[in-house]
Order: sequence, then C-alpha cells, then structure tokens
Amino acid sequence: AQSVTQLGSHVSVSEGALVLLRCNYSSSVPPYLFWYVQYPNQGLQLLLKYTTGATLVKGINGFEAEFKKSETSFHLTKPSAHMSDAAEYFCAVPSGGSYIPTFGRGTSLIVHP
Amino acid sequence: KAGVTQTPRYLIKTRGQQVTLSCSPISGHRSVSWYQQTPGQGLQFLFEYFSETQRNKGNFPGRFSGRQFSNSRSEMNVSTLELGDSALYLCASSFPGQENNEQFFGPGTRLTVL
Repeated sequence: AQSVTQLGSHVSVSEGALVLLRCNYSSSVPPYLFWYVQYPNQGLQLLLKYTTGATLVKGINGFEAEFKKSETSFHLTKPSAHMSDAAEYFCAVPSGGSYIPTFGRGTSLIVHP
Repeated sequence: KAGVTQTPRYLIKTRGQQVTLSCSPISGHRSVSWYQQTPGQGLQFLFEYFSETQRNKGNFPGRFSGRQFSNSRSEMNVSTLELGDSALYLCASSFPGQENNEQFFGPGTRLTVL
C-alpha cells in the first residue's frame, strides 16, 4: 500500500523566509498526492493536489509543490513565510486499491517574527 | 454552502462509558469518513460510509462503530471508553468519493477520557 513520509516533525522559519516542507512517497508513482493544512482547533483544509502529468502544482495561500519522480518527492514550498502560515501540514496519498487517503505524520510549521 | 459540521465540539467522559459523535456532511456529499487524530499516532482512518453502507474500514477494535443515515449524516460510537481513546475525532465528506476528490473536513470533536 502507498504511504508518505514527512521529514521533520517541526520546521521553524523567520517571517519572510522560504518555507520548505518535505514529503516522500513510498513506491510506485501515485496517481494523486495531496497537501492539507490544519490550523489550531480546526479540521484539515486542502492546500493543493497533484494529478498525473503535472509536475509543479500551485495551491492556495501562495503555496506550491513540485512532483519529482526521480526523488519520489512532493515537497511543499512558499517563497515568503507569513505569521498566518503557522499550522500543521500533512501530505497524503490514496492508499492501495482504496481512494481513502493515508496521511503522513504531519509537520508543524513555526514562524518567528 | 455550509461546511461539514460536527457535534459536540468537546466532550469529557470517564473510562467504561460510551459516546456518540455526530457529523453532518456538506449538502450533496454522500461519502463520510472518520479519522482519529492523536499526537502519538497522527491521523488514522477509522471507517468510511457511502449511501448508508460501510465501504472501508481501518484497523480499529470493534468498540468503534458507525452508521450513516439516509440524509448522509453520520454518527460514530465508541463503547467501553479507554484512556487511549482521548483524541480529536475528525469527520470528512466528499462527493462522490473517488480518488481525486478532495475531502472536506469538519472542525472535529475533542474527546477526553478520564
């Protein structure tokens, strides 16, 4: 079954700095990959999703992710962090023959003024 | 369109009790999934209902059960609560539940078991 690994449970950046959150998928090229964000005391919200054929995916709030088959990666980036980006970020992939997403362990983004 | 709603938002129970959580999906969404979120285990899939039938199930004991009504609203029940059941329980709906469909999450129910 497909799975994703998120490297780094916490990432700390200064406001205005580049944000890079890492996600690697487990095996064969998945047809879909997702990034979700969870703000404090809220549910998850879709940031962006990858579908076969696209390599650079643009999402909401200035985030984007690049699909790299050679590296089995789908890292999330944002050129300039804002205080409001502080949240938990989850990478997800449909699992096996089911379309139910399997989530990574999450990365907490901390933004310093 | 109203989003996914979950009630109650917070719940405190004691060991051995049972609890029922409710989820109302976005209008028109027929698939409802439930997840348990804890600091130690992260987000874990409990089960998914589609048209009143359980279509997928995660690896949880039988104490965890659910159902879906004809209006797509869903409930999940946990019997004989244990301390380890303390978690944020998230409900998500989607239409029509295919792989590339976005899941829309509710704010969750925070369950504390004392």
